[in-house]
Amino acid sequence: DADVTQTPRNRITKTGKRIMLECSQTKGHDRMYWYRQDPGLGLRLIYYSFDVKDINKGEISDGYSVSRQAQAKFSLSLESAIPNQTALYFCATSDYGRTTQYFGPGTRLLVL
Amino acid sequence: AQSVTQLDSHVSVSEGTPVLLRCNYSSSYSPSLFWYVQHPNKGLQLLLKYTSAATLVKGINGFEAEFKKSETSFHLTKPSAHMSDAAEYFCVVSEGDTGNQFYFGTGTSLTVIP
Repeated sequence: DADVTQTPRNRITKTGKRIMLECSQTKGHDRMYWYRQDPGLGLRLIYYSFDVKDINKGEISDGYSVSRQAQAKFSLSLESAIPNQTALYFCATSDYGRTTQYFGPGTRLLVL
Repeated sequence: AQSVTQLDSHVSVSEGTPVLLRCNYSSSYSPSLFWYVQHPNKGLQLLLKYTSAATLVKGINGFEAEFKKSETSFHLTKPSAHMSDAAEYFCVVSEGDTGNQFYFGTGTSLTVIP
């Protein structure tokens, strides 16, 4: 089984709808991240969490919110989706210190 | 502050010829550096990482990268390109011993010509 899973893998929604993307991990890492990927822009950090009680805004947090329900679960919400939030979204985890990030398979979101 | 610049947005090589993907970074701390690969419609896979040990780092699939502090570079190389190397490559830096955040370059798309 994959260490970092994301649901759904693909989603089409309409402008103004609320949508939640979910991430679960079995690596036992404290740190979790949400990124979005747009062509030519690489990955940009939306939110990150260093433990269950710690939530931090990233580079592009406007229009997004997150919830860290448990060490293993980190959800990203779009309260009122807009077309420019169409993107590929990745969840990642890491341990403390000089360690690697591990990525989920991504969620492809289309907002019409 | 940390940042990463990937100097080429697209690189095209012939199969069997060397690959060079260039990455420069800026970091206020002793950085950790990573290269990830993303194949079409796939997630990100770690190729290799530098975390203050040997400056020449060997990764998977024949890739390697050399950390050059004086040049603030971490270029990715491979002696002989294979068709399966066609993908998007990302250079990533994280800060010092805490590894608080990871900063991504904008990516280099590698095309391999048969």
